[in-house]
Amino acid sequence: GQQVMQIPQYQHVQEGEDFTTYCNSSTTLSNIQWYKQRPGGHPVFLIQLVKSGEVKKQKRLTFQFGEAKKNSSLHITATQTTDVGTYFCAGRGSGYSTLTFGKGTMLLVSP
Amino acid sequence: GAVVSQHPSWVICKSGTSVKIECRSLDFQATTMFWYRQFPKQSLMLMATSNEGSKATYEQGVEKDKFLINHASLTLSTLTVTSAHPEDSSFYICSAPGGQGYEQYFGPGTRLTVT
Repeated sequence: GQQVMQIPQYQHVQEGEDFTTYCNSSTTLSNIQWYKQRPGGHPVFLIQLVKSGEVKKQKRLTFQFGEAKKNSSLHITATQTTDVGTYFCAGRGSGYSTLTFGKGTMLLVSP
Repeated sequence: GAVVSQHPSWVICKSGTSVKIECRSLDFQATTMFWYRQFPKQSLMLMATSNEGSKATYEQGVEKDKFLINHASLTLSTLTVTSAHPEDSSFYICSAPGGQGYEQYFGPGTRLTVT
């Protein structure tokens, strides 16, 4: 079945440093979504990428979808303590109606 | 934005008993809802897709007779954990597609502890 791998599992940065999490799928995806889950909270939708090579920005967050539609990345510029949480990618394969979530990357930001 | 609620937020039950968890879409209708299970510091594992007016679709390895799902209306889906065991202790989260139709709106989750 479809597998979505995410690295790193955990990253601890100093406030102001950049952060990137990477997501790779074993199969070509029709689209990929990103979610953020704060400690003790539930996942919150951030964005969906659909097109090959697509790049979208939300303030300090930059999302990329690979040309082959098998990988994606989330980059945060100049992290803030409010960025703390676990970031999940979730891929939807061709013909599938459900999302497959990566294991997530837990981000800790020290002031 | 779309709001999904879950009830209860946490529950403690004894082994062998059954527990019902409700998932409601508060300001939109959802013909489909999803049930996930999340272990500490781990990812979301899709358990089943709840379909309004028809049987749920279960993921491979999920016992449908143990995790009963009922999608009785366009705003309510329930998950009943039957004959609960300590290994069923987990965080159960539901979601429903809203907004543009592709993003998932998650409920706050239900923490189940089976003693």
